Amino acid sequence: DTEVTQTPKHLVMGMTNKKSLKCEQHMGHRAMYWYKQKAKKPPELMFVYSYEKLSINESVPSRFSPECPNSSLLNLHLHALQPEDSALYLCASSQVGEDTQYFGPGTRLTVL
Amino acid sequence: GENVEQHPSTLSVQEGDSAVIKCTYSDSASNYFPWYKQELGKRPQLIIDIRSNVGEKKDQRIAVTLNKTAKHFSLHITETQPEDSAVYFCAARDNYGQNFVFGPGTRLSVLP
Repeated sequence: DTEVTQTPKHLVMGMTNKKSLKCEQHMGHRAMYWYKQKAKKPPELMFVYSYEKLSINESVPSRFSPECPNSSLLNLHLHALQPEDSALYLCASSQVGEDTQYFGPGTRLTVL
Repeated sequence: GENVEQHPSTLSVQEGDSAVIKCTYSDSASNYFPWYKQELGKRPQLIIDIRSNVGEKKDQRIAVTLNKTAKHFSLHITETQPEDSAVYFCAARDNYGQNFVFGPGTRLSVLP
């Protein structure tokens, strides 16, 4: 299996809702990433997990809460988001210390 | 931190012509430079990459060149086809090894 999967594909939520994004890979990768991509912009790194431990947090607001429950799963918990948080959220994975990152298809999030 | 610039922001070529996209980076310690292709609504797909110990790499119609002294690298696509139309992102990996910094992207249109 050489794929990163993400659910849901689309998510619409209100500013008071709590929701979660899910990412899964079965390539044995021990580094996993969350990126945010606004329209016509490049992906921007949010979080990096290495061996299930948070290693990079790019000053992301606390309304985004990542979680890595095991080596195959990565979650992003969302609470009290703002309309400007609407974007495509991409998950990626790689071997720790190796270069190539594999991206999932993304979750398109709309915050009303 | 690393900063990656990319030019041009848009590029239109006739089918069969060549296309060249250039990127510059700021951190001389960066050592890995991938190129991603992203079609509308899809995930970024790695198309080619190069490491700092190599000056050029080719894969069929796609090639990448790296000039470490000048801190720039370029993507070359020959014999372009309409299916090459997409947004192309260059990226540089910082010396820490996990943080990819993406360029702003180039929208390539191949006209039939």
